[in-house]
Amino acid sequence: AQSVSQHNHHVILSEAASLELGCNYSYGGTVNLFWYVQYPGQHLQLLLKYFSGDPLVKGIKGFEAEFIKSKFSFNLRKPSVQWSDTAEYFCAVNEGGNEKLTFGTGTRLTIIP
Amino acid sequence: KAGVTQTPRYLIKTRGQQVTLSCSPISGHRSVSWYQQTPGQGLQFLFEYFSETQRNKGNFPGRFSGRQFSNSRSEMNVSTLELGDSALYLCASSSRWSGRTGELFFGEGSRLTVL
Repeated sequence: AQSVSQHNHHVILSEAASLELGCNYSYGGTVNLFWYVQYPGQHLQLLLKYFSGDPLVKGIKGFEAEFIKSKFSFNLRKPSVQWSDTAEYFCAVNEGGNEKLTFGTGTRLTIIP
Repeated sequence: KAGVTQTPRYLIKTRGQQVTLSCSPISGHRSVSWYQQTPGQGLQFLFEYFSETQRNKGNFPGRFSGRQFSNSRSEMNVSTLELGDSALYLCASSSRWSGRTGELFFGEGSRLTVL
């Protein structure tokens, strides 16, 4: 069965620090890749997505992610975090053909002002 | 454009009871998926409905069921509730554009507590 691993459960950073959250998946076929974010008190929303093409994708709020097929990875990055980035971040994989997403366990990001 | 609407937002039930949760997708979206979110298991896929047909199902017991109506609204039902069914149940809708699946719009969820 497909699985998604997020290496960090809780990350604490100061404002302006750089961020990288790891994500690895197990499925060997063609996949669609996503990062979803859940801000405190808000619903889960899409941060960025990869379907095909350029493996470096840019999302909202200055986030980007790089798909490395050989490493089955889709790490999330941001050069300079802000206090408002405090949230829980979920990596997710979709095999295509249906709307089933397999989610990682999530990474809670806390930004200290 | 209105987002995904889930009702009720909060509910408390006792073991053995059943519960029905409702979801109205974004206008024009014909796919509705349901997910269970718990602290221990994280986000787990329950099922997806498209054009009133269940297209995919996760690894949940038969007590969990759902349906979709002709206006794309969906309901999920959990019968014979167990304590472990306490969770946030999330509904998500999508346009299900071929090849670009997985891009979901989530509702705020229905938080179920089973006592």
